[in-house]
Amino acid sequence: DVKVTQSSRYLVKRTGEKVFLECVQDMDHENMFWYRQDPGLGLRLIYFSYDVKMKEKGDIPEGYSVSREKKERFSLILESASTNQTSMYLCASTPARVAGVNEQFFGPGTRLTVL
Amino acid sequence: AQTVTQSQPEMSVQEAETVTLSCTYDTSESNYYLFWYKQPPSRQMILVIRQEAYKQQNATENRFSVNFQKAAKSFSLKISDSQLGDTAMYFCAFIGQGGSEKLVFGKGTKLTVNP
Repeated sequence: DVKVTQSSRYLVKRTGEKVFLECVQDMDHENMFWYRQDPGLGLRLIYFSYDVKMKEKGDIPEGYSVSREKKERFSLILESASTNQTSMYLCASTPARVAGVNEQFFGPGTRLTVL
Repeated sequence: AQTVTQSQPEMSVQEAETVTLSCTYDTSESNYYLFWYKQPPSRQMILVIRQEAYKQQNATENRFSVNFQKAAKSFSLKISDSQLGDTAMYFCAFIGQGGSEKLVFGKGTKLTVNP
């Protein structure tokens, strides 16, 4: 089974802190994603990566950056956390397309609270 | 740009009954894929069912089936013989055939199955 893990289930940080959220997948997937999930807004894509050191902005990249130094790991960075970044963060991965589209496999999520 | 609309923020159903969750989408692409994902309370998001637009036959997975109406751009999920474990957030999602790995999600429907 595909396993996507995230470094923390719950995280509490203070305004202005630099925050790292880590995601690791064990199935050699090329594509990895970071989403933000808020009630009534569904999932919104922050950034995704289709290869090591490659990244593309999603729909809401402002205030975030990412790093992908190894294929299995995709990090989301909040350079200076703000209270409006309090949210649930979901990581996902999927293999590269060979024939058709593949499902995305999700991690358990990190609930981040910024005080 | 593609959009996905789930018009029912919350629904409830009695155990053993049938419930249908609605989803409509907007796209100019002729081929694409549609998904229903399930997110149980405090648990990981998992794929429930998928449909490829060029396949006319509606997808079925055990108690879960879809009613895919391509002309109407409608993709509803029917859950038969509802079980308590079906209580979850359900997200409808769209991805085009045309290369981008970006999955577009609806805002979700919170389904509660009552005993």
